[in-house]
Amino acid sequence: DTAVSQTPKYLVTQMGNDKSIKCEQNLGHDTMYWYKQDSKKFLKIMFSYNNKELIINETVPNRFSPKSPDKAHLNLHINSLELGDSAVYFCASSPKGAVTYGYTFGSGTRLTVV
Amino acid sequence: GENVEQHPSTLSVQEGDSAVIKCTYSDSASNYFPWYKQELGKRPQLIIDIRSNVGEKKDQRIAVTLNKTAKHFSLHITETQPEDSAVYFCAASKNTGNQFYFGTGTSLTVIP
Repeated sequence: DTAVSQTPKYLVTQMGNDKSIKCEQNLGHDTMYWYKQDSKKFLKIMFSYNNKELIINETVPNRFSPKSPDKAHLNLHINSLELGDSAVYFCASSPKGAVTYGYTFGSGTRLTVV
Repeated sequence: GENVEQHPSTLSVQEGDSAVIKCTYSDSASNYFPWYKQELGKRPQLIIDIRSNVGEKKDQRIAVTLNKTAKHFSLHITETQPEDSAVYFCAASKNTGNQFYFGTGTSLTVIP
């Protein structure tokens, strides 16, 4: 069983389109995250939810909107996609408030905007 | 907020040699320091971690050291093998925080 699963794994789309990435974890964790990894491999946090409540909302264009229907799911919707949105997006989860126990990452979604 | 710096950004070693990656952090309240390994096209995975009440931790060929006074910690890989080739990330966090602060990554290449 995959602990943190993301879909789709690859996403190729044209500029201006709207797309969503889904994430689900079966670890019973309370906290979930979205990270963006650019071509230089830097891991940049975008959002975090703790038990469906938004707790981190970094400086991200408002074209990006996270949604957490329950604590096991965190989805990312992106409107009006731009070339610069091309990156790998990782979902991660951790036990409640316990960032001292490590993240479990999903396998990533490679988004390519053409 | 916390600032984690990582060096070097790239590192090449001959198979069998040792590799050392160093990180510094700025927030003295940080008390947990994990290291992640990311192979090409894969997810980052936790390989070892250290807490602030410990100065050194070892797991087979991998060790991590922590100097709280100087606010730096290091990853040591001995007897490197080609499968150690990957990007390594250090990170720092604290009990009262709600995220990890990652370093910028080190791309390690082990030359057979």
